[in-house]
Amino acid sequence: DIQMTQSPSTLSASVGDRVTITCRASQSISSWLAWYQQKPGKAPKVLISKASSLESGVPSRFSGSGSGTEFTLTISSLQPDDFATYYCQQYNPYSWTFGQGTKVEIK
Amino acid sequence: QVQLVESGGGVAQPGGSLRLSCGASGFTFSHYGMHWVRQAPGKGLEWVAFIRYDGGDQSYAESVKGRFTISRDNSNNTLYLQMNSLRDEDTSVYYCAKIADSYASGSHYDYWGQGTLVSVSS
Repeated sequence: DIQMTQSPSTLSASVGDRVTITCRASQSISSWLAWYQQKPGKAPKVLISKASSLESGVPSRFSGSGSGTEFTLTISSLQPDDFATYYCQQYNPYSWTFGQGTKVEIK
Repeated sequence: QVQLVESGGGVAQPGGSLRLSCGASGFTFSHYGMHWVRQAPGKGLEWVAFIRYDGGDQSYAESVKGRFTISRDNSNNTLYLQMNSLRDEDTSVYYCAKIADSYASGSHYDYWGQGTLVSVSS
């Protein structure tokens, strides 16, 4: 099975900060990686697919990069609505795994 | 608009069974693979099971293999998860999720249901 390791587990930041979350795969997954945002009591929402493709309706302050085994999600200027938990997911066919999540908290 | 509505959650005893349903609308259900994903209280997301758009192939996480069965009824736009031999550690919110690309197996999720809570307790 492909393991996904996210870091950090928790991140404290202020409105306006640039934030970066990293996700590492235990083996190459090409660009088969998505990023999701989840708020308490709600279902996750996709932000980025294919490692760097911004989903429709997602603010442009979100961006994704990477390929192979190292990926990053960047929020260029953190907004109040962005305080949430973020998950990466690899979706090679017949092998789907999530990272353990990164909680972005208010500093 | 796309809607996924889960039902069937509740309380079950260890060793018991439950069947979850996910009613789909707003898209051509028979063209898309579907997944179940769960989240234990206060924990992260865990992939549970996948079924191909035509029901012709299924895949399961090791933690549920042999106990859970995913199925679908394309004529009624409904996804199912039959859960047998339930354990305490199966306690979670269960989400159904639609994959974004039609006729694909490897794809991210573009829509999720609201989730249904399964509690396994004696």
